[in-house]
Amino acid sequence: ETGVTQTPRHLVMGMTNKKSLKCEQHLGHNAMYWYKQSAKKPLELMFVYNFKEQTENNSVPSRFSPECPNSSHLFLHLHTLQPEDSALYLCASSPRDTSEPETQYFGPGTRLLVL
Amino acid sequence: AQSVAQPEDQVNVAEGNPLTVKCTYSVSGNPYLFWYVQYPNRGLQFLLKYITGDNLVKGSYGFEAEFNKSQTSFHLKKPSALVSDSALYFCAVRDGSGGFKTIFGAGTRLFVKA
Repeated sequence: ETGVTQTPRHLVMGMTNKKSLKCEQHLGHNAMYWYKQSAKKPLELMFVYNFKEQTENNSVPSRFSPECPNSSHLFLHLHTLQPEDSALYLCASSPRDTSEPETQYFGPGTRLLVL
Repeated sequence: AQSVAQPEDQVNVAEGNPLTVKCTYSVSGNPYLFWYVQYPNRGLQFLLKYITGDNLVKGSYGFEAEFNKSQTSFHLKKPSALVSDSALYFCAVRDGSGGFKTIFGAGTRLFVKA
């Protein structure tokens, strides 16, 4: 257990559905991250939140909508996804998003399949 | 721009033999380098990092990595592989000159045979 939990662990959705992924960290960290992991591709950083404010959006399509209501929770709202969005979505947290090379703690991920 | 390359999709090693998982990087400033491991159905777990100091860094589970500035490499090593080391390994780099992003490689799958 890394102190970062993600729900659901698996999700199957149609292209017209709306769903949300949830991430919660119990580490007292102030920075949270969403990554997309596709087979044989580098891990893609999607969003970064620092003290609940979004500090990074790596040109992610608007069908992915993040929400960070507090430093412990991070959501990824999904709507009208495409089959190529099927992947493992990983959440991570770190004490704060600074230029210091702090270790990120990762959750187990949500395996998403878009039909 | 930062980048990380893991040239091998897969590495096969017999148990008890030494293992090496390769990583090369490119950053404009000073590199901060990381290795993570991902076991099946688990998130990434931190193994070790290089920030400054000794080029040989020791980490969890008996792993170590060697920073080579001239070759821009940060290969992961272990003197004697275990079957339980079988997993997906990710190298990552962050620009120590002020960048906030950590860039990950595509991962290398390690198979250790008994």
